[in-house]
Amino acid sequence: QLVLTQSPSASASLGASVKLTCTLSSGHSTYAIAWHQQQPEKGPRYLMKVNSDGSHIKGDGIPDRFSGSSSGAERHLTISSLQSEDEADYYCQTWGTGMGVFGGGTKVTVL
Amino acid sequence: EVQLVESGGGLVQPGGSLRLSCAASGFTFSTYWMHWVRQAPGKGLVWVSRIYRDGTGTNYADSVKGRFTISRDNAKNTLYLQMNSLRAEDTAVYYCIRDLGTWDVWGKGTTVTVSS
Repeated sequence: QLVLTQSPSASASLGASVKLTCTLSSGHSTYAIAWHQQQPEKGPRYLMKVNSDGSHIKGDGIPDRFSGSSSGAERHLTISSLQSEDEADYYCQTWGTGMGVFGGGTKVTVL
Repeated sequence: EVQLVESGGGLVQPGGSLRLSCAASGFTFSTYWMHWVRQAPGKGLVWVSRIYRDGTGTNYADSVKGRFTISRDNAKNTLYLQMNSLRAEDTAVYYCIRDLGTWDVWGKGTTVTVSS
């Protein structure tokens, strides 16, 4: 069964970096995933797609301080030079056999 | 400007029906798969349904299978979600998303509340 696992929360200081992880379930380590950001009281927006080789395709207007990487079954989103507006929920997402799958989301707090 | 705008949400009693719409603009709607995703209050994102570019194929989450029907009118650049036999647990904000290998544009959502 295809499952995406995320830590519920992460925090870092203003101007620092934070690295979020999305782990694919066993047998699905080659899947690409996408990262979506949801700021408080807003709808989600697409950030980037991260492939198994670590290459990533960002959405229009996404700042350079957002980057993606991969390691085995893990897909990462790194936010550098944290800004106050980066405080949000971050969801990873992929597509399985006939169904979409989301991780549980990671709430990022900017200290 | 690429845009998706949902409408049709509202308050409905358990067992009732509602039809959501998603109006697309700024891109060639017929070349994209389309999805519905929902978010219950205070909860995470949950995929609901997908439809092929030409409408000939559909997929549903088990929780809505047999109750919800996704459809599209490419001439009107509009996606639909017919929701029947609604339950309290269907209460959520419903988003439409376009998909061409990446789910890269989301609408702002429409709120459905199922309550007596």
